[in-house]
Amino acid sequence: KNEVEQSPQNLTAQEGEFITINCSYSVGISALHWLQQHPGGGIVSLFMLSSGKKKHGRLIATINIQEKHSSLHITASHPRDSAVYICAVRGKETSGSRLTFGEGTQLTVNP
Amino acid sequence: NAGVMQNPRHLVRRRGQEARLRCSPMKGHSHVYWYRQLPEEGLKFMVYLQKENIIDESGMPKERFSAEFPKEGPSILRIQQVVRGDSAAYFCASSPWTANTGELFFGEGSRLTVL
Repeated sequence: KNEVEQSPQNLTAQEGEFITINCSYSVGISALHWLQQHPGGGIVSLFMLSSGKKKHGRLIATINIQEKHSSLHITASHPRDSAVYICAVRGKETSGSRLTFGEGTQLTVNP
Repeated sequence: NAGVMQNPRHLVRRRGQEARLRCSPMKGHSHVYWYRQLPEEGLKFMVYLQKENIIDESGMPKERFSAEFPKEGPSILRIQQVVRGDSAAYFCASSPWTANTGELFFGEGSRLTVL
């Protein structure tokens, strides 16, 4: 079992829909990151969380440390949101330097 | 304030050649991380460096791979005697002063193709 599990693996939505991507992890962490990767492109850090909730524009990220679970929500989705969304955790037990990544969620938003 | 700069963006090598990938962190960042993304796979940690020091290389293959972050100049990931299985996207990320709490900033990646 991977240390970081994401669901769903693939998600197709219609423009305007509310989207949720889930991330569960099995280790103690010091921080959790949500990343976005466009095809053939670089990686953009969307959020870094250690507790609670963060919001940036149409994106909202939440984390529940006790349940070892985080969610990324996209409100009023748009075709330009189509990308791979990756959850990554920074473990407490490591040197604090390395991230462990989920396999990613491929999101396609159709017009 | 330029972001994390990686070059080359694309590199083609024949088996047995050497590949050198460069990463210039964001200004003021002294922590550099290298990650590898194999085709159809997720990202994997390779190595974490601070200026002139390797802090954690637990993700590096034991042979043919090395990394450095000299006092002056970019961080370099070096792959000797490349094989087809080294074909991947290699991402560099940098963070400011403290690794435990610092935001990570990623480069665009270097895509290595081994023929």
